[in-house]
Amino acid sequence: KAGVTQTPRYLIKTRGQQVTLSCSPISGHRSVSWYQQTPGQGLQFLFEYFSETQRNKGNFPGRFSGRQFSNSRSEMNVSTLELGDSALYLCASSFLPGQGIANYGYTFGSGTRLTVV
Amino acid sequence: DAKTTQPNSMESNEEEPVHLPCNHSTISGTDYIHWYRQLPSQGPEYVIHGLTSNVNNRMASLAIAEDRKSSTLILHRATLRDAAVYYCILPSGGGADGLTFGKGTHLIIQP
Repeated sequence: KAGVTQTPRYLIKTRGQQVTLSCSPISGHRSVSWYQQTPGQGLQFLFEYFSETQRNKGNFPGRFSGRQFSNSRSEMNVSTLELGDSALYLCASSFLPGQGIANYGYTFGSGTRLTVV
Repeated sequence: DAKTTQPNSMESNEEEPVHLPCNHSTISGTDYIHWYRQLPSQGPEYVIHGLTSNVNNRMASLAIAEDRKSSTLILHRATLRDAAVYYCILPSGGGADGLTFGKGTHLIIQP
């Protein structure tokens, strides 16, 4: 079956702009999580969505937001981009929230590489 | 998540077994032990997980100490494609706060 699909793969934006990233989970998976990866901070949890509702959120400013659609696809949005937002943004899916813990783990996409100039 | 400690890097030869250690002395009784790896230019990939007993799958084996304060990921016959950063994670609270990735172990495989 198809894996987690993230689009676009690469993106270059200017400081102050906003950006929207997309994630399509594995078919049947209803939970989507987002992570930011930078050389300095490593992988950090942004938020998780299930049934179109945000279940929890990491320690990121309000400029970072997301949503989930009825087909489980998710988008994340970053407004007023800063140079420090340059990172690899990864999305992960699982059948149910937390099932990635007790069962088969989370499946990650290959990420969207965002560069802010 | 409970804290884990892993060596920064390890080196091994191709076709030899690799033992990647992880210390987690503050693990609670309900914490699962998860391993993920991240190959260059890819997202993390689930490898294996366990609770108390040793576990095997097609990718690796997980050996868990009797007191659960440490575990070892075993790659039985390393290939060049196993070169990656390996993360040992103890997600707590059902993963309510997502997975906490530390620095992991950078595994280098020599041909």
